[in-house]
Amino acid sequence: AQSVTQLDSQVPVFEEAPVELRCNYSSSVSVYLFWYVQYPNQGLQLLLKYLSGSTLVKGINGFEAEFNKSQTSFHLRKPSVHISDTAEYFCAVSDLPLRRNQGGKLIFGQGTELSVKP
Amino acid sequence: DTGVSQNPRHKITKRGQNVTFRCDPISEHNRLYWYRQTLGQGPEFLTYFQNEAQLEKSRLLSDRFSAERPKGSFSTLEIQRTEQGDSAMYLCASSQTSGGVDTQYFGPGTRLTVL
Repeated sequence: AQSVTQLDSQVPVFEEAPVELRCNYSSSVSVYLFWYVQYPNQGLQLLLKYLSGSTLVKGINGFEAEFNKSQTSFHLRKPSVHISDTAEYFCAVSDLPLRRNQGGKLIFGQGTELSVKP
Repeated sequence: DTGVSQNPRHKITKRGQNVTFRCDPISEHNRLYWYRQTLGQGPEFLTYFQNEAQLEKSRLLSDRFSAERPKGSFSTLEIQRTEQGDSAMYLCASSQTSGGVDTQYFGPGTRLTVL
């Protein structure tokens, strides 16, 4: 069975500092990996996704993530954070569909609360 | 394209009552997913539709829960005889599958409080 572990429940950081949010997954098959952001009282917004190809994926708002198959990790990074990046971040994994109508349900981690302080 | 919408945004009900939520997906998206998110947790998959067919249901979806997507467009999620443990944010997502992975776009959610 697939699972996702986000290693830090809370990450406090000062504005303009770099940040890394850690995500490890476990799966016996090839996977697709995603990072979503959730602002208070809102739904989830896709930041970036890894499907195949280059292991370094760039997303919106200056975020990027690196897929590491040997370490089963997909850590999210940003070189310089802003106050507006304060939000909950979720890592998710989806199976590679094996059958035509097989769904791509997402398995989420428990989330990391990023708090950017001035 | 106005995104995924959900109604109502908030619902407060008493234990034992039935509630129904609605999700309107992005136009032309053929897949629709329901997730449940409790406080401090990531979303958990409940069920999904491809067009009007409900193709997968989670074990989390007890027999008090039922979902429909009658014409392959909007979907409803009904909870009968609500319990306090049903209090959560219910999220809907839609996607357009093209044979590979589909990217899911989420609505703002419906927050349910059962008193």
